[in-house]
Amino acid sequence: DSGVTQTPKHLITATGQRVTLRCSPRSGDLSVYWYQQSLDQGLQFLIQYYNGEERAKGNILERFSAQQFPDLHSELNLSSLELGDSALYFCASSAQRGMGGEAFVLATQYFGPGTRLTVL
Amino acid sequence: AQKVTQAQTEISVVEKEDVTLDCVYETRDTTYYLFWYKQPPSGELVFLIRRNSFDEQNEISGRYSWNFQKSTSSFNFTITASQVVDSAVYFCALRGETSGSRLTFGEGTQLTVNP
Repeated sequence: DSGVTQTPKHLITATGQRVTLRCSPRSGDLSVYWYQQSLDQGLQFLIQYYNGEERAKGNILERFSAQQFPDLHSELNLSSLELGDSALYFCASSAQRGMGGEAFVLATQYFGPGTRLTVL
Repeated sequence: AQKVTQAQTEISVVEKEDVTLDCVYETRDTTYYLFWYKQPPSGELVFLIRRNSFDEQNEISGRYSWNFQKSTSSFNFTITASQVVDSAVYFCALRGETSGSRLTFGEGTQLTVNP
C-alpha cells in the first residue's frame, strides 16, 4: 500500500458525459501528479500540482482539468468524454525537502491504485 | 527530450530461471533519475527502485538486482530465481533535470513466470 488513495476504483459512463476522479496523496506530500495509461499511448504524464498550484502540464487535453485543494487532495475532471478516453488514470504523490520557496520536490513518485474509466 | 525504450514486449520464463529486463534511456540532462515500477495483474504501480545519474553503483535487493551503465545509457533489471508472483508488467521510467518532475515511461515488459 503506497498510501495514495484514489476513488472510485471503476467508473463506467457514456460518451459526452463528465466525470471527476479523486486522489488523496500520502500524508505530508505536497505534490500530486496525474497519469493516463491507455493501450495505444502507454503511461503518459498529464499534470502536476504542488501545494495547490499547477506546476507542470503534459499531454492533457483541453477537455480535462485538475485542481488541488487546501487539504491537498486533488481532482481530475474529464468532460465531453469520448471512447478514446477509456483508460486507467493514476494519481501519484511525492514528498519534498525543505519548506516554502526553498522546498525541493523529491524524485520518487508513489502511485495510487488507479481509476479504471470505461466510456461506452 | 526524454525517451525510454524497453525493447522486450513480453518475456516468458519457467520458475527459478533468472531473467533480465532491458531498459535504454535517452536524455541530454546531466542530472537525472531512473526508476523501475512493477504493475501486477491487479493494476497498481509499485515502486521498486530509484537511481541517480551520479551514482552508478549497482544495487541488489533480495532476488532483485539492477545494473546501471551510463556508458550505454542502460538500466537493466535482473530477477534471480524467478517466482510465479513476479509475473507482472515492469516499467522503466526517467525523470530528467530539465523536464520538471514528470516521469517518462517506457512501454513496459510483460513478464510471465510459469510454474
